[in-house]
Amino acid sequence: EAGVAQSPRYKIIEKRQSVAFWCNPISGHATLYWYQQILGQGPKLLIQFQNNGVVDDSQLPKDRFSAERLKGVDSTLKIQPAKLEDSAVYLCASSLAGAKLYEQYFGPGTRLTVT
Amino acid sequence: KQEVTQIPAALSVPEGENLVLNCSFTDSAIYNLQWFRQDPGKGLTSLLLIQSSQREQTSGRLNASLDKSSGRSTLYIAASQPGDSATYLCAVMLLLILTGGGNKLTFGTGTQLKVEL
Repeated sequence: EAGVAQSPRYKIIEKRQSVAFWCNPISGHATLYWYQQILGQGPKLLIQFQNNGVVDDSQLPKDRFSAERLKGVDSTLKIQPAKLEDSAVYLCASSLAGAKLYEQYFGPGTRLTVT
Repeated sequence: KQEVTQIPAALSVPEGENLVLNCSFTDSAIYNLQWFRQDPGKGLTSLLLIQSSQREQTSGRLNASLDKSSGRSTLYIAASQPGDSATYLCAVMLLLILTGGGNKLTFGTGTQLKVEL
């Protein structure tokens, strides 16, 4: 079974520029999550999708961050404009209701450096 | 607001030693607790998941326990090996579906483990 795929793996941009990250969840997983992990901290949930609907975006800085999951499969997370404090690893995860209800599977992450 | 704390922040042990990592959480109304491993530059790998009704889970040399009433979990690693070197994260899940939310994982800051030859 293929895991959660993310691209790019690394991105370096200057502040005030825009950037987008892509995630492809495990096939059949209805729920998709985006997390931000700042160096030395645990991941923090930014947004959670159930199919193509948002169920929790309470910690998403909506003035600069946006995310979509148009067809209920792939998802993109965008930052516009980026700030220095956005430097972090952005992790995508997915989960499937079933025997291991709500267990989340993580992708390798995208490491963003804002200079 | 749920807060998760992990102690110690870093740990260095000689190969073969048994060790315990600690995790504590402030809100005992959790759905489950997961222990993850994170290697440098990599994503998270789930090690063990304990449902709130369970007391412990075992996988190979790993054993995780959960005491929901006291807000504590421990991860026990037996006969540690250099390949166990990584950051270990615990995360608690709150189920918010009944209130229209999702299933929210709150992570600790992790314990960075180094197992030396």
